[in-house]
Amino acid sequence: SAVISQKPSRDICQRGTSLTIQCQVDSQVTMMFWYRQQPGQSLTLIATANQGSEATYESGFVIDKFPISRPNLTFSTLTVSNMSPEDSSIYLCSEGDGETQYFGPGTRLLVL
Amino acid sequence: AQKVTQAQTEISVVEKEDVTLDCVYETRDTTYYLFWYKQPPSGELVFLIRRNSFDEQNEISGRYSWNFQKSTSSFNFTITASQVVDSAVYFCALSDRGSTLGRLYFGRGTQLTVWP
Repeated sequence: SAVISQKPSRDICQRGTSLTIQCQVDSQVTMMFWYRQQPGQSLTLIATANQGSEATYESGFVIDKFPISRPNLTFSTLTVSNMSPEDSSIYLCSEGDGETQYFGPGTRLLVL
Repeated sequence: AQKVTQAQTEISVVEKEDVTLDCVYETRDTTYYLFWYKQPPSGELVFLIRRNSFDEQNEISGRYSWNFQKSTSSFNFTITASQVVDSAVYFCALSDRGSTLGRLYFGRGTQLTVWP
């Protein structure tokens, strides 16, 4: 199974600022996903990030708010822009090349 | 449309009791994957099991067992002789792509608390 790391593991941010979350996979993968988990809720897919193409966003998520980069087959970033308290969540990345989707440890974000 | 329903929001048991977590899914695909993940308080998502739609055999792994029934679109998870360390949120998920894994659709999760 792939080993996935995320940075930062947690952060506290002021409203109106932006935070970039990094996701590193220890092997090359084609498909990576970004999910959001709001407090006490399930996981919701933000976007699918394939290397060499623009990210595909789910309904309710837009590129201006959640820009994603995928510069190579082992790395991706998600930026949460112009944050508000409603953005307080756990953000998780995952890789989906194999038969099982493995997740990073998550980034806990609190927006004040 | 794909949908996963976990009707049990919270379950509390005492150590050594058996507990079953229910999962019902909806999909129009004939080929799909079902998953269970565990999320302890630390927040990471731990993979427990994957089952594809062509394999209805039940599976046992130690104290964990899974019952997959296509006739009722259910994929239930049983913990035998529960332990305090089993306390976590458990998510059932469905993948909507047949031969290549795609995005996952998650249920709302079941918070399991095991009391000593």
